[in-house]
Amino acid sequence: QLQLRESGPGLVKPSETLSLTCTVSGGSISSDSHYWGWIRQTPGKGLEWIASIYYRGNTYYNPSPTSRITISVDTSKNQFSLTVTSVTAADTAIYFCARSSGSWEDAFDSWGQGTLVTVSS
Amino acid sequence: DIQMTQSPSTLSASVGDTVTITCRASQSISRWLAWYQQKPGKAPKLLIYKVSNLQAGVPSRFSGSGFGTEFTLSISSLQPDDFATYYCQQYNSYLTFGGGTKVEIK
Repeated sequence: QLQLRESGPGLVKPSETLSLTCTVSGGSISSDSHYWGWIRQTPGKGLEWIASIYYRGNTYYNPSPTSRITISVDTSKNQFSLTVTSVTAADTAIYFCARSSGSWEDAFDSWGQGTLVTVSS
Repeated sequence: DIQMTQSPSTLSASVGDTVTITCRASQSISRWLAWYQQKPGKAPKLLIYKVSNLQAGVPSRFSGSGFGTEFTLSISSLQPDDFATYYCQQYNSYLTFGGGTKVEIK
């Protein structure tokens, strides 16, 4: 049974860097058939796809605000990560990691439980 | 960006009802559309992909249809477990979600 679990700080100060990690268990992140992504959810903007990655390091970003965001993968740890620099209150959200099958442009068929990140001083 | 608009935003229904949710894309997305169910405090759960394909384990009372810019999710014989918020997602060009439709108990 595939499981994804997000980890990271629940509280980040404005202008600082947010780092989140998704640990995959019950399956290999190095699968040829799967891509791994981050999605966030806020009351105001709803669900927003942030970025996705393939285990070989191919990255795909939401074209909206990409310059502050980096997605990376560590196959040795079966993990992938998200970094958001210069955070503001607008980055306050529930962050989900998820898997898509077949392509990075696909539906997400497995999700982590989500982690709430609050940006506040 | 492709914008996804769902209607209604809230829907009141009773157990046993058949309900229909609409999702409209700002431009054609062919059949690259998925539907999710989300309950409070939980992650979205994939119900349907590529307009009408049920994800494994999803009851057959859920069905999807559409092509291009207009899509529907139907739930027949609504069950207590179906009261939740539903989202559409396009994956024709990047990935964007609709604003959600909350199905609540009448």
